[in-house]
Amino acid sequence: DAGITQSPRHKVTETGTPVTLRCHQTENHRYMYWYRQDPGHGLRLIHYSYGVKDTDKGEVSDGYSVSRSKTEDFLLTLESATSSQTSVYFCAISESGTTKEDTQYFGPGTRLTVL
Amino acid sequence: AQTVTQSQPEMSVQEAETVTLSCTYDTSESDYYLFWYKQPPSRQMILVIRQEAYKQQNATENRFSVNFQKAAKSFSLKISDSQLGDAAMYFCAYRSQGGKLIFGQGTELSVKP
Repeated sequence: DAGITQSPRHKVTETGTPVTLRCHQTENHRYMYWYRQDPGHGLRLIHYSYGVKDTDKGEVSDGYSVSRSKTEDFLLTLESATSSQTSVYFCAISESGTTKEDTQYFGPGTRLTVL
Repeated sequence: AQTVTQSQPEMSVQEAETVTLSCTYDTSESDYYLFWYKQPPSRQMILVIRQEAYKQQNATENRFSVNFQKAAKSFSLKISDSQLGDAAMYFCAYRSQGGKLIFGQGTELSVKP
C-alpha cells in the first residue's frame, strides 16, 4: 500500500470557520491531488500539485486553496467553510502525473461536516 | 471534454455468481487509460484493474476482468465467483495524456450470501 495519510480523519466545524486538511506521503511522489466525493458525482478534482510550490486548479476549486511547501505534504484549506463543502475529501499521489499510464493512489479520506 | 458514465447506481449478485458492471465514456482521444477502483465501507479507494486503450487484449486480475470495446467506448468490469468481500462501491475512471483522472458516478455492489 502507498504510504499516504490524511489528517484529521473526521472533522465537524461551523459555517464561516477556516479548516485545513493535511495529506502526507512517504513515497516521494511528485504529484499530489485533492478530490471531494459526493453522492451521485463520484470523485471530483479540487486542486493538484506537480511539485513544491507548484499547484493548479481542478474542476471544483472555488472556495478552496492549497499549499505545498514540502514534497511530502499537501494542505487543503477552506478559508470560510460553507455547508456545501460538507463532503468526504481524498488525497491522492502519483509518480509522474502527466503520462496516461501513471496510476493514482489514494489516502483513507477525511469526512468533513460543516454545520 | 471527456465524460464517464456508470448507468447502474446499484447492482446485486449472489455469492459465487458472476456480475458485470457497466461503464461508458466519451472522448475524442485515441490514446488513454481506463481504470476500475473499488471503495469498500472503509472508504479506502483501491485500484482493481487498468486497461490501456491501445492494447486489444482485455486486462485480467484474478477474478476481475474487463470487456473493453474501444469503438463502442465501453469498459465493463466482470467479477467472477463473487465473494462477500467484493461488496463495495465501484468507480470507473478515465485518464488522458493530460493526466487528469475523470470518474464515473459509481455503482454500489451488494453480495448476497
